[in-house]
Amino acid sequence: ELKVEQNPLFLSMQEGKNYTIYCNYSTTSDRLYWYRQDPGKSLESLFVLLSNGAVKQEGRLMASLDTKARLSTLHITAAVHDLSATYFCAVKGDQGAQKLVFGQGTRLTINP
Amino acid sequence: ETGVTQSPTHLIKTRGQQVTLRCSSQSGHNTVSWYQQALGQGPQFIFQYYREEENGRGNFPPRFSGLQFPNYSSELNVNALELDDSALYLCASSSFSARWEQFFGPGTRLTVL
Repeated sequence: ELKVEQNPLFLSMQEGKNYTIYCNYSTTSDRLYWYRQDPGKSLESLFVLLSNGAVKQEGRLMASLDTKARLSTLHITAAVHDLSATYFCAVKGDQGAQKLVFGQGTRLTINP
Repeated sequence: ETGVTQSPTHLIKTRGQQVTLRCSSQSGHNTVSWYQQALGQGPQFIFQYYREEENGRGNFPPRFSGLQFPNYSSELNVNALELDDSALYLCASSSFSARWEQFFGPGTRLTVL
């Protein structure tokens, strides 16, 4: 059974600092997603990673995928308060259905 | 292009009641997936519908059931509500042409008292 683990689960950081969120998954998958969720809101798609070595960047966020290590990272550069949110990684399950298995989420708080 | 919509936004029910949640998929998408997100947790896959047929189910009891209609909109029905059913229910639509990326609706917040 596919399991997805994120760490850390909680992250409090100062504006201007850099940090990385890690996402490990237990079985082979051909795609990984990163989502952002604000309190009480739905999921906003950030990145779709489809192949080993894939790297995508949008603003201060950069995501990468290592399928051999079954590891994805979400790197935050020079954090700003607006990036405060919960970040989820999700991996496509190995069944026929396009099922996503989510990590527990990383609650990111960026302090001025 | 219209995004994924869900109704109602919020719902309060009592234990033992039944509830129906609705989802309209994004234009051109023929697949709808439902997820349950308990407070402080990641979303959990309930089931998926593809062309009006169930196409995969997560670890949820049979009192969670669904339908997909010819226009690809979908319903999630939950019978005999329990307190633990209180959660945000998310619907996502996808299609082959969108490379199966799932686009999420705003969710329905269900509270069971």
